[in-house]
Amino acid sequence: SQTIHQWPATLVQPVGSPLSLECTVEGTSNPNLYWYRQAAGRGLQLLFYSVGIGQISSEVPQNLSASRPQDRQFILSSKKLLLSDSGFYLCAWSSLRGAEYNEQFFGPGTRLTVL
Amino acid sequence: AQKVTQAQTEISVVEKEDVTLDCVYETRDTTYYLFWYKQPPSGELVFLIRRNSFDEQNEISGRYSWNFQKSTSSFNFTITASQVVDSAVYFCALSEYTGNQFYFGTGTSLTVIP
Repeated sequence: SQTIHQWPATLVQPVGSPLSLECTVEGTSNPNLYWYRQAAGRGLQLLFYSVGIGQISSEVPQNLSASRPQDRQFILSSKKLLLSDSGFYLCAWSSLRGAEYNEQFFGPGTRLTVL
Repeated sequence: AQKVTQAQTEISVVEKEDVTLDCVYETRDTTYYLFWYKQPPSGELVFLIRRNSFDEQNEISGRYSWNFQKSTSSFNFTITASQVVDSAVYFCALSEYTGNQFYFGTGTSLTVIP
């Protein structure tokens, strides 16, 4: 069965510090991978998605970047955190079922507080 | 443009009552997918159902049922005989045929009062 891991679970960082959040998926190959941010208002904002190694699509221009160094690894980074980067970060994956992509499955999330 | 609207921000019901969560979507695609997710207080989004645009049959899974109506662009979710464990934020989502992008509604926070 497939599982998705995210770490750390919680993080408190000062403004201006760097960030690295990691997401890994097990039990599937060549998944689509996604990073979302959920701010206090509950809505989910798609930040990045990747259809393969080294392929990153950015949905929102911002202080963050993403990389996919391996098939099942997706990393969210920042060189200098802003207060507005605080939120709940969720990683998700989906894969092809026949000719269709199936639903997205989400990781447990990382709660980031920037002070 | 793709858009999902969940007009109900918060709903409170007493245990054992039925409750319907509304979802209205907009898309120009003829092939698309609709989803419902549950987000309990722990934060992780739990997948509930996926529906493709060609399948308008209503679906029932235990106390959960979904009503998909293309004519009104709606995909409503009903919980029958609600329980305290149903308390969560529920998200409706739409994806295009390629599945590369999901468009989430803003969620409905459901509180079931014992």
